[in-house]
Amino acid sequence: NAGVTQTPKFQVLKTGQSMTLQCAQDMNHEYMSWYRQDPGMGLRLIHYSVGAGITDQGEVPNGYNVSRSTTEDFPLRLLSAAPSQTSVYFCASSYDRDISYEQYFGPGTRLTVT
Amino acid sequence: SQQGEEDPQALSIQEGENATMNCSYKTSINNLQWYRQNSGRGLVHLILIRSNEREKHSGRLRVTLDTSKKSSSLLITASRAADTASYFCATYTGRRALTFGSGTRLQVQP
Repeated sequence: NAGVTQTPKFQVLKTGQSMTLQCAQDMNHEYMSWYRQDPGMGLRLIHYSVGAGITDQGEVPNGYNVSRSTTEDFPLRLLSAAPSQTSVYFCASSYDRDISYEQYFGPGTRLTVT
Repeated sequence: SQQGEEDPQALSIQEGENATMNCSYKTSINNLQWYRQNSGRGLVHLILIRSNEREKHSGRLRVTLDTSKKSSSLLITASRAADTASYFCATYTGRRALTFGSGTRLQVQP
């Protein structure tokens, strides 16, 4: 199994541009989520999904959209990039719909918005 | 606000020594998890302890949980240079989300 994969690894955007961060998992996990990590801080939840067709907001959802059309994929869309969205983005997945089990993380996407 | 907060923020020890890091949280939890993050990499799950457990072991790792004090500790015994990483606690409160602390940066000197 490849586990959780994320593309791209690095991205530079100009303010106002949009883009999609890709996340895929091949473990048939129902629960998937997106976090952002800023320097010296822990991870903050952006959006999550408990199954195909079901998404919900996390702690810091503004400026981001998600959809979950398949079990495997959970893309994160930045609608109009802002410098405040410069961060490292991690996708994670878990067996359990209530994430009471361990999370499997992708390698991250480092995004810079200028 | 962060549900979990690790202490200390940074820790430097010699190879072979034990490393202890602590996590405090604010509200009742279902379980508490510890993760490791090597520089520039994603997080890797280390151990999960449920609210009705007091201690758990996994290899050189020992985790304790004191729900009355709303705190947990992670002990790494006989540390190695390869243990150099940031360590995060994460709490699950049953609201379909994990909340992470800001982490402890551990440096193990060879």
